[in-house]
Amino acid sequence: DSGVTQTPKHLITATGQRVTLRCSPRSGDLSVYWYQQSLDQGLQFLIQYYNGEERAKGNILERFSAQQFPDLHSELNLSSLELGDSALYFCASSDEGDTEAFFGQGTRLTVV
Amino acid sequence: AQTVTQSQPEMSVQEAETVTLSCTYDTSESDYYLFWYKQPPSRQMILVIRQEAYKQQNATENRFSVNFQKAAKSFSLKISDSQLGDAAMYFCAANSGYALNFGKGTSLLVTP
Repeated sequence: DSGVTQTPKHLITATGQRVTLRCSPRSGDLSVYWYQQSLDQGLQFLIQYYNGEERAKGNILERFSAQQFPDLHSELNLSSLELGDSALYFCASSDEGDTEAFFGQGTRLTVV
Repeated sequence: AQTVTQSQPEMSVQEAETVTLSCTYDTSESDYYLFWYKQPPSRQMILVIRQEAYKQQNATENRFSVNFQKAAKSFSLKISDSQLGDAAMYFCAANSGYALNFGKGTSLLVTP
């Protein structure tokens, strides 16, 4: 158990809809990262938050947004969903040193 | 920006034998970290081993060791005495202070 909790584990929704994925980092970790893993693909970095502030942005679509709350949990919002958004979405957290990241078990999103 | 390349989409090894997975990276940073993550069929991302770039000594974790060639920007993973439970996707990753950048992964098959 990495200590990073993601909910829900599975999500099935229709095209055009909006969903929210939730992540609770390890206790004490200030950084939260979001990654997208499409079928048979590597992990694409989406966005990083550090202590409530956006710190780095990767290949995140404009339809996607994220935030980190004062209690350090984070939410990834995906809107106007398309079939191609079906993927495994990982949250990871790290301490202030920003070295290794600990991953949650992921949320598998299926858009139908 | 960093790029990480894994040139072997698939590798196969017999139980008890040794296998080496290749990884090269490109970075302009002088201080960075390198990682190997394992992703079994459960899809959980598990840290296997990490290497700080400023350390010349190669990292070792039980049956897992790395061959870090800084000048060549090469970071290979050696798995000794391979076990059936080692079968998984292996991802090489680099971090220079922000997010981890991952390679596309190598699928390792372990045969009895």
